[in-house]
Amino acid sequence: AQTVTQSQPEMSVQEAETVTLSCTYDTSESNYYLFWYKQPPSRQMILVIRQEAYKQQNATENRFSVNFQKAAKSFSLKISDSQLGDTAMYFCAFRSGSARQLTFGSGTQLTVLP
Amino acid sequence: GAVVSQHPSWVICKSGTSVKIECRSLDFQATTMFWYRQFPKQSLMLMATSNEGSKATYEQGVEKDKFLINHASLTLSTLTVTSAHPEDSSFYICSAIQGSAEAFFGQGTRLTVV
Repeated sequence: AQTVTQSQPEMSVQEAETVTLSCTYDTSESNYYLFWYKQPPSRQMILVIRQEAYKQQNATENRFSVNFQKAAKSFSLKISDSQLGDTAMYFCAFRSGSARQLTFGSGTQLTVLP
Repeated sequence: GAVVSQHPSWVICKSGTSVKIECRSLDFQATTMFWYRQFPKQSLMLMATSNEGSKATYEQGVEKDKFLINHASLTLSTLTVTSAHPEDSSFYICSAIQGSAEAFFGQGTRLTVV
């Protein structure tokens, strides 16, 4: 079974600064996908970024980028130029290539301070 | 991204009554839908996976007779909480996928049983 670990329950960052959220996972599969989802106070789950395991290049989406270290089974999220609207719970998630369900980490509550 | 609509957004019901929550994929056909439960400040807990036209697959510990799931079409899945009790009060979230694409989430339903 796959597991996803987020070791930072809470983090804070000053507006305009950069913050990195950590995520590690455990799997024996070679084909899988990794995701970061954001859940703001509205509680709507929003996809931030996705990474296919077979791709060596780290995914980027505007101010959001990942550091995917496959050998170390690490998948961290970097948020640059943090904005107040980035305040949310962030979940790291894993999906194997052979399954459709997501396995979520426990989440990191990020607060962007003005 | 694709849109998943979940209704109602919140509901209050009396203990012993049943409540139905709908999850619709508005602009795509969802081969698979998932139902999650989320407690405050915690991660999403998968309750069941439903495929159109077949019985739902429940996770261990989830009572299938209490949480009835129907996936009658490629755009609609329903979760019925039967004989609800205060301990069933929670935030319920659905998600839908088409093929191997990423999951899209409904806005969630806050259920309060009084």
